[in-house]
Amino acid sequence: QKEVEQNSGPLSVPEGAIASLNCTYSDRVSQSFFWYRQYSGKSPELIMSIYSNGDKEDGRFTAQLNKASQYVSLLIRDSQPSDSATYLCAVNREGSQGNLIFGKGTKLSVKP
Amino acid sequence: GAGVSQTPSNKVTEKGKYVELRCDPISGHTALYWYRQSLGQGPEFLIYFQGTGAADDSGLPNDRFFAVRPEGSVSTLKIQRTERGDSAVYLCASSSTGSYNEQFFGPGTRLTVL
Repeated sequence: QKEVEQNSGPLSVPEGAIASLNCTYSDRVSQSFFWYRQYSGKSPELIMSIYSNGDKEDGRFTAQLNKASQYVSLLIRDSQPSDSATYLCAVNREGSQGNLIFGKGTKLSVKP
Repeated sequence: GAGVSQTPSNKVTEKGKYVELRCDPISGHTALYWYRQSLGQGPEFLIYFQGTGAADDSGLPNDRFFAVRPEGSVSTLKIQRTERGDSAVYLCASSSTGSYNEQFFGPGTRLTVL
């Protein structure tokens, strides 16, 4: 099993819709979970972090964490064409807070 | 304030040559991280520093790769005897103490080994 799995997409949603991005991870003791946005040709940009079970909201973004199911998701409300990018899920490796394991990313396309 | 900076932005070298990649973290950030990213993949961890010392170097692929951070600020990633497989974007990130390890990335250095 891959350590951090994401559907590669592309995920296509119409402007104004909710985009739902999912990620599963294999390390049961991971404690830190992150979502990064990466535009083509650019470096990853941190958009959300979450550390405890439940939801965390920041503007149009909501991160959801379920440690029992080893599942983390990102919801983007009122999607805009400027949200079109690759979204990377990252999880810390057991025993090393600084060592993040990234998924391959999900490519999101928001159509006007 | 200024973000993480990396130099050079692009580096083209020949197989077998030595290269150095530099990272200047966000001012005041105590932790510094190196990753590399190949096309279509997520970043792959190489090493991270807490202050001057390497806290985890488990991602360095072999002994051709080495990184230093002598004064706890700027870091240099050194690659000896480069191989074509080393071609990738090398990303540097930094984080502050007590930030739950939220890592902020620089623009990266694109390394091409011919």
